[in-house]
Amino acid sequence: KNEVEQSPQNLTAQEGEFITINCSYSVGISALHWLQQHPGGGIVSLFMLSSGKKKHGRLIATINIQEKHSSLHITASHPRDSAVYICAVITNTGNQFYFGTGTSLTVIP
Amino acid sequence: DSGVTQTPKHLITATGQRVTLRCSPRSGDLSVYWYQQSLDQGLQFLIQYYNGEERAKGNILERFSAQQFPDLHSELNLSSLELGDSALYFCASSTIGGRGINEQYFGPGTRLTVT
Repeated sequence: KNEVEQSPQNLTAQEGEFITINCSYSVGISALHWLQQHPGGGIVSLFMLSSGKKKHGRLIATINIQEKHSSLHITASHPRDSAVYICAVITNTGNQFYFGTGTSLTVIP
Repeated sequence: DSGVTQTPKHLITATGQRVTLRCSPRSGDLSVYWYQQSLDQGLQFLIQYYNGEERAKGNILERFSAQQFPDLHSELNLSSLELGDSALYFCASSTIGGRGINEQYFGPGTRLTVT
């Protein structure tokens, strides 16, 4: 069983669409990260959350600790948002990091 | 540019060999994390060091070892390499080594190919 489940696995959207990527986890956590990985392979940390909601530009991340669920939203999507988005959690013991399998997003002009 | 550097960028070697991957964290960051990303397993956490001391251990094989030096750079040693060790190896750094409640900055990765 995977400790972190993401959905959908693949997502294709038209430019301008509102996008939601979901992440559910089964372990107790101290924080959750949303990562972005571009086709070249580089990874960028978009958000780190332990509660509530964070916003950065067109990106919004929310987390519900009770439901063990987080969402990443992209408003007014753009082709440059095309990437793999990965959810990662850090257990509340601080000893383990678990990753989702990623959501591959393609935004078509 | 995250400020984290990794060398080499690419490495091709044969089965049974040993390699060393190097990571220099962002200036001021005391924690270094190593991750492996393979096609079949996705991203996996290997090990974390904080200020020279091992802080957390994940799915790191016994053939692999790591250390963090006094200047805070870190090395990941992979020995008795197998075809399945072919992967992207990422290093990340952060300012503190607490319970993951801090931002991590990723290096560009080292692509290891074992033939």
